[in-house]
Amino acid sequence: DTGVSQDPRHKITKRGQNVTFRCDPISEHNRLYWYRQTLGQGPEFLTYFQNEAQLEKSRLLSDRFSAERPKGSFSTLEIQRTEQGDSAMYLCASRDSLQYTQYFGPGTRLTVL
Amino acid sequence: DAKTTQPPSMDCAEGRAANLPCNHSTISGNEYVYWYRQIHSQGPQYIIHGLKNNETNEMASLIITEDRKSSTLILPHATLRDTAVYYCIVRVDRGSSNTGKLIFGQGTTLQVKP
Repeated sequence: DTGVSQDPRHKITKRGQNVTFRCDPISEHNRLYWYRQTLGQGPEFLTYFQNEAQLEKSRLLSDRFSAERPKGSFSTLEIQRTEQGDSAMYLCASRDSLQYTQYFGPGTRLTVL
Repeated sequence: DAKTTQPPSMDCAEGRAANLPCNHSTISGNEYVYWYRQIHSQGPQYIIHGLKNNETNEMASLIITEDRKSSTLILPHATLRDTAVYYCIVRVDRGSSNTGKLIFGQGTTLQVKP
């Protein structure tokens, strides 16, 4: 059973550029979450998918952020016009419909210069 | 979801038991206690969860007080690899409208020393 995978693991970009991250959940997990973690803080919830439907978005998810899960499998998180304040670890987690335990990927560390 | 309170940091000698406390005095009857840990620069790792009975798995034991207002995560024989931030989270695990999102606090930084 492979775990949650995320790509890339690290991303350095210049302010104003767009970036996209990918998350592949555990197979057959139909629930998928994105979190953001800044230095010294615990992860903060960004958004939640049940299959391909995005059912909840945090207020942290500004209009520069968009997440998709087109076929109910992998998900992408795009940040447009990145700002230095977007520098953080972006974490993806998944679970199945019967259990509430979430399993996390290794994260994508974004640095905006 | 109820709020949790954890000490910011703890030390433990290698090979000894690490006992990490968590206070959740406002927990309601249908809320579970979850523990995750995060080793530096990695994603959070699920450890254990429980409702009211004590639980044990290959990683740890979870002791929940009878009134459910506090709990203790026990790592029976801590190793240097157990050095991490440990998060205690309380959450409802029922209801079709419940997305199951996790609300993390600051956690406890456990330093295991040789």
